[in-house]
Amino acid sequence: GENVEQHPSTLSVQEGDSAVIKCTYSDSASNYFPWYKQELGKRPQLIIDIRSNVGEKKDQRIAVTLNKTAKHFSLHITETQPEDSAVYFCAARGMDSSYKLIFGSGTRLLVRP
Amino acid sequence: DVKVTQSSRYLVKRTGEKVFLECVQDMDHENMFWYRQDPGLGLRLIYFSYDVKMKEKGDIPEGYSVSREKKERFSLILESASTNQTSMYLCASSLRSYEQYFGPGTRLTVT
Repeated sequence: GENVEQHPSTLSVQEGDSAVIKCTYSDSASNYFPWYKQELGKRPQLIIDIRSNVGEKKDQRIAVTLNKTAKHFSLHITETQPEDSAVYFCAARGMDSSYKLIFGSGTRLLVRP
Repeated sequence: DVKVTQSSRYLVKRTGEKVFLECVQDMDHENMFWYRQDPGLGLRLIYFSYDVKMKEKGDIPEGYSVSREKKERFSLILESASTNQTSMYLCASSLRSYEQYFGPGTRLTVT
């Protein structure tokens, strides 16, 4: 089955700097890769996703890149702000599991003012 | 607006008790999921359901069962609660296989 590894587990950056979180997946048939943000005490919420027929997607200060050959995808946050502080989860959906998402272990991002 | 609710935010139960966690969504979604969230382990899938009365095991189903009698409601049952089931439990729903919408979570403590 699908396995998703996420790094780093914690990340501390200065406000205004960029942050990058990386994930690798095992199932080469996976075709959908969402990123969820979970603020302290709140529920996870989708912030961006990418499908396997696209290499990059941007939404304002966040972007996701996908390298299908290497089976990894990354979340990029530019011009970080204190409100970006949260736990971020990557996930992958494999072709053999139409409804399931397999989540990474999470990255705790701290943006220092 | 999308809405997924869970019956309790905090729950304290004793070892051996039968525990029911309920999740309700108002979006007419086919798919519903139960996860547990533990530090450093991310979100691990316990069970999911893609239709009424249909269920499939996730990655960690041992010690749990589920019930989905109505489309909007998905219940997680701990048959005999144990201390290693102390965790945050998150319910989610999705339309077909895309974005999952999460509930606020239930923090369960088993003593």
